[in-house]
Amino acid sequence: KAGVTQTPRYLIKTRGQQVTLSCSPISGHRSVSWYQQTPGQGLQFLFEYFSETQRNKGNFPGRFSGRQFSNSRSEMNVSTLELGDSALYLCASSLGAGSQPQHFGDGTRLSIL
Amino acid sequence: GQQLNQSPQSMFIQEGEDVSMNCTSSSIFNTWLWYKQEPGEGPVLLIALYKAGELTSNGRLTAQFGITRKDSFLNISASIPSDVGIYFCAGQLRETSGSRLTFGEGTQLTVNP
Repeated sequence: KAGVTQTPRYLIKTRGQQVTLSCSPISGHRSVSWYQQTPGQGLQFLFEYFSETQRNKGNFPGRFSGRQFSNSRSEMNVSTLELGDSALYLCASSLGAGSQPQHFGDGTRLSIL
Repeated sequence: GQQLNQSPQSMFIQEGEDVSMNCTSSSIFNTWLWYKQEPGEGPVLLIALYKAGELTSNGRLTAQFGITRKDSFLNISASIPSDVGIYFCAGQLRETSGSRLTFGEGTQLTVNP
């Protein structure tokens, strides 16, 4: 059974640009969550999507946005990139109902120059 | 953002030794999870706990969900070199509007052969 797939694995951008990251969940999983991992702040929740609707949002500025498609694949977008946005962005999927655990992809390493 | 208090931050042990790490929170969670992350990879789920007082094993790993629902511990018995990595606890609060994971800061485990 294929795991969570994130693309691209690595990305280099400059300040002011925007970026789109992609996540394909485990087959049959309908919930996709995004997390930011940095050495200073650790793993921080960004948002969760279920059935194409955002149903939970973390404490990040509006520059961070996402969406989910009918096949449960999800994208997150960061606009007007800042140096502090350099991080590992992780996607996790779960069945979506109740307390089924979240399974993570290997992340996209975003570096801002 | 909110994080769980995870300790110790790092451990250096000899192969064959037992390891114990724990997480505490000021908030109640109704699910506790333990993940392991290795360099260049996303967190991998080790154990999920769903009821206060629950004790669950996965091979050499044993984890418990604290009675107060505000803490959890993970034990690794007879450590081996491949146990090296960062171990994260995560609390999950199931809500009708979705769920999010709140992570501890991680325990960096080094095992000397």
